[in-house]
Amino acid sequence: DVKVTQSSRYLVKRTGEKVFLECVQDMDHENMFWYRQDPGLGLRLIYFSYDVKMKEKGDIPEGYSVSREKKERFSLILESASTNQTSMYLCASSSPGSGGLAKNIQYFGAGTRLSVL
Amino acid sequence: AQSVTQLGSHVSVSEGALVLLRCNYSSSVPPYLFWYVQYPNQGLQLLLKYTSAATLVKGINGFEAEFKKSETSFHLTKPSAHMSDAAEYFCAVSVGNFNKFYFGSGTKLNVKP
Repeated sequence: DVKVTQSSRYLVKRTGEKVFLECVQDMDHENMFWYRQDPGLGLRLIYFSYDVKMKEKGDIPEGYSVSREKKERFSLILESASTNQTSMYLCASSSPGSGGLAKNIQYFGAGTRLSVL
Repeated sequence: AQSVTQLGSHVSVSEGALVLLRCNYSSSVPPYLFWYVQYPNQGLQLLLKYTSAATLVKGINGFEAEFKKSETSFHLTKPSAHMSDAAEYFCAVSVGNFNKFYFGSGTKLNVKP
């Protein structure tokens, strides 16, 4: 089974803190994604990465950065946390090279619920 | 531009009744289409996906979805709702080389006893 692990289920941070959200996948997937989920808005893509050290902005990258130094790990960084970044954050991975039933599927972690006070 | 519209942010059905969750998409190229389910405080789990092999796609837990190109729809159905089906359901479209997903806003399904 594919496993995507997010390091924390719940985080509470203060405004202005630098926050790191970590995500690790164990399936050698090329693509990794960070989303935020807010009620009524579905999932919105923050950043994604298609290879080590490669990253692309998603739809809402402002206030976030990412790091992918190793293929299995994709980190989301909030440089200076603000209250409007209180949300559920979901990491996902996929492999465009997978064949059959696995092709194009994104596999998700359990999520990190971040509260910024 | 790609977009996904899910009609109805909340749907309530009785146990044993038909479940119908609606999804319409816009895509300039043939898409891959997906339904995911999210149980409280969990990540998203794949229910089923459409990849052009067949217009009627069967998924897990008795769910199925039908791709209708003329209507740009991919509605999710289940003949008989179970209490354990109560969750939030997301429709998504995937296009492009990087397998980017575009998600609908989600539909919360409530199942009444």
